[in-house]
Amino acid sequence: GQQVMQIPQYQHVQEGEDFTTYCNSSTTLSNIQWYKQRPGGHPVFLIQLVKSGEVKKQKRLTFQFGEAKKNSSLHITATQTTDVGTYFCAGQRRGSTLGRLYFGRGTQLTVWP
Amino acid sequence: GAVVSQHPSRVICKSGTSVKIECRSLDFQATTMFWYRQFPKQSLMLMATSNEGSKATYEQGVEKDKFLINHASLTLSTLTVTSAHPEDSSFYICSTPGDLGEQYFGPGTRLTVT
Repeated sequence: GQQVMQIPQYQHVQEGEDFTTYCNSSTTLSNIQWYKQRPGGHPVFLIQLVKSGEVKKQKRLTFQFGEAKKNSSLHITATQTTDVGTYFCAGQRRGSTLGRLYFGRGTQLTVWP
Repeated sequence: GAVVSQHPSRVICKSGTSVKIECRSLDFQATTMFWYRQFPKQSLMLMATSNEGSKATYEQGVEKDKFLINHASLTLSTLTVTSAHPEDSSFYICSTPGDLGEQYFGPGTRLTVT
């Protein structure tokens, strides 16, 4: 079964509103990564979180890794039309091949101008 | 990060024919490459792990004889879809891991089987 759950599947916001997507793993992860895929494009690596409770920011994007290293979130403040795309979380499990990731279903973000 | 190319970007083939997709790591020696397929508005499904100089490791449910993977050099992995059928139509993407396990994806190949 699916090992990394991600919600919501779709999110429609007006430009300027905030957006959050959540990931939850059934097992403890060694790290979690986030990717963005623009329509018609391929996934692009955004960030990796490794430490329990870690929080990282990239401009308007805030990434969090839970204390138990099982959940994570991506929050975008004041969305812009350039934020449109699908955001995937991907977890790496301890002991797995380096780079072998378990992807969430993704959250497709639509931003209305 | 690593730069990965894929060829072709789009291919249309007739049912029953075979299609080869190439994945090249342009600036990075990739001992490992991953092959995914992605259906419209779906997540990435890992098909196999390609290992340079050895056999690929396939995920459960992926037919080894149908999706042939060859990783003959540190910069090239190929995926051949044999005897393609319309249900094989999909977006196929390869990736190579960076030093921390982050993935650098190729631009993908859109396969349409008629």
